[in-house]
Amino acid sequence: FTLTQPHSVSEFPGGTVTISCARSSGSIGTDYVQWLQQRPGSAPSTVIYNDDSRPSGVPGRFSGSVDSSSNSASLTISELHSDDEADYYCLSYDDNNRAVFGGGTQVTVL
Amino acid sequence: QIQLLQSAHELTRPGASVRVSCKASGYTLSTYGITWVRQGASQGLEWMGWISGYTGNTNYAPTFQGRVTLSRDPSTNTAFLEVARLTSDDTAVYYCARDGFDLWGQGTRVTVSA
Repeated sequence: FTLTQPHSVSEFPGGTVTISCARSSGSIGTDYVQWLQQRPGSAPSTVIYNDDSRPSGVPGRFSGSVDSSSNSASLTISELHSDDEADYYCLSYDDNNRAVFGGGTQVTVL
Repeated sequence: QIQLLQSAHELTRPGASVRVSCKASGYTLSTYGITWVRQGASQGLEWMGWISGYTGNTNYAPTFQGRVTLSRDPSTNTAFLEVARLTSDDTAVYYCARDGFDLWGQGTRVTVSA
């Protein structure tokens, strides 16, 4: 299966962005979805794991959800800050325990 | 301090092989698996494979099966990625990450050029 994300989203500081991650086949609920943040020149880091859990240190402005009706997951960033500007990737696992990454979404803070 | 420290950047020729290391610090490698991910210039993330830190069992992405070898050395707390028969398409930053992607190495840039 593939995970499809929008190429880019943009919003002003203080606003809210939502990034979708649509699964092409099989149920989105088959395995957990994780979200990674990658700032320019840096390694990725996890902002959401197990669909909607935040690692310690990740602000509550980041939230994750899964919608079975659209077979997709979403990452929402509220109260947008300039340092939220980054690429965001969703990932899940196939039946062979191999990770599948979405293509990534560039978030621009205007 | 818990971290993954990767080897230095590599410049190599087409047809050659490259070996990248990933040393775990602050925890015992055998307690977690290690995943390898690569990222081409201005590209997304690509999952290459996984190795169990405990058993050494491996799971490779079909794209890399037969050309990539994952290994680990518990005595040095280090995992290794070897890529054979390199082409220019293998020019990328290679990352190791601990199970759950909760800890990442800093990345190793591999450049394949004649």
